Amino acid sequence: SAVISQKPSRDICQRGTSLTIQCQVDSQVTMMFWYRQQPGQSLTLIATANQGSEATYESGFVIDKFPISRPNLTFSTLTVSNMSPEDSSIYLCSVGVSGDEQYFGPGTRLTVT
Amino acid sequence: AQSVTQLDSHVSVSEGTPVLLRCNYSSSYSPSLFWYVQHPNKGLQLLLKYTSAATLVKGINGFEAEFKKSETSFHLTKPSAHMSDAAEYFCVVRSNSGGSNYKLTFGKGTLLTVNP
Repeated sequence: SAVISQKPSRDICQRGTSLTIQCQVDSQVTMMFWYRQQPGQSLTLIATANQGSEATYESGFVIDKFPISRPNLTFSTLTVSNMSPEDSSIYLCSVGVSGDEQYFGPGTRLTVT
Repeated sequence: AQSVTQLDSHVSVSEGTPVLLRCNYSSSYSPSLFWYVQHPNKGLQLLLKYTSAATLVKGINGFEAEFKKSETSFHLTKPSAHMSDAAEYFCVVRSNSGGSNYKLTFGKGTLLTVNP
């Protein structure tokens, strides 16, 4: 398994601003993922972030809105840019540890006013 | 392509009675299947997984699930519910194909309520 931490745990932001969320893992992992969980909804994959390459975004998500960095094998950031109330969600990072399993961070609860 | 359908958005049981959370999946390739649990204001925790070994999978906290290929189902069960089982449960599929390694598709979730 892996221990994953996220910062901040929650934030309230004004529309038009940006927030950068950090994800730290206690071991080196190749694949990291960012998900969004809108209120009362399931999880939707935003992008896959592999170290040393550009992030791969899912349909409906673009780099200008959700830029991702992956500077090393234990750390990644997701920025939510030019926020609107529709961006209010829980943002979670996860890591692929073995060939099958993903472990999730505790999430960042974002409210945009 | 892969998808997951959780047949019940909300299941309510009494403490000590059996739990059944239903999940059907669709996958173009041989799938891996998972159940995750999310307690209020907590992160996601892996309950159990199926990855082409035994079709009856045992997980943590007394939960188990049976993979039935003919029915494309992966229902989650527990013989006796405990108050601490109250949470949101997600059925998740991953297609074991080269083009979508690691990509998980989540069901919409089933909220389990346990009544005293």
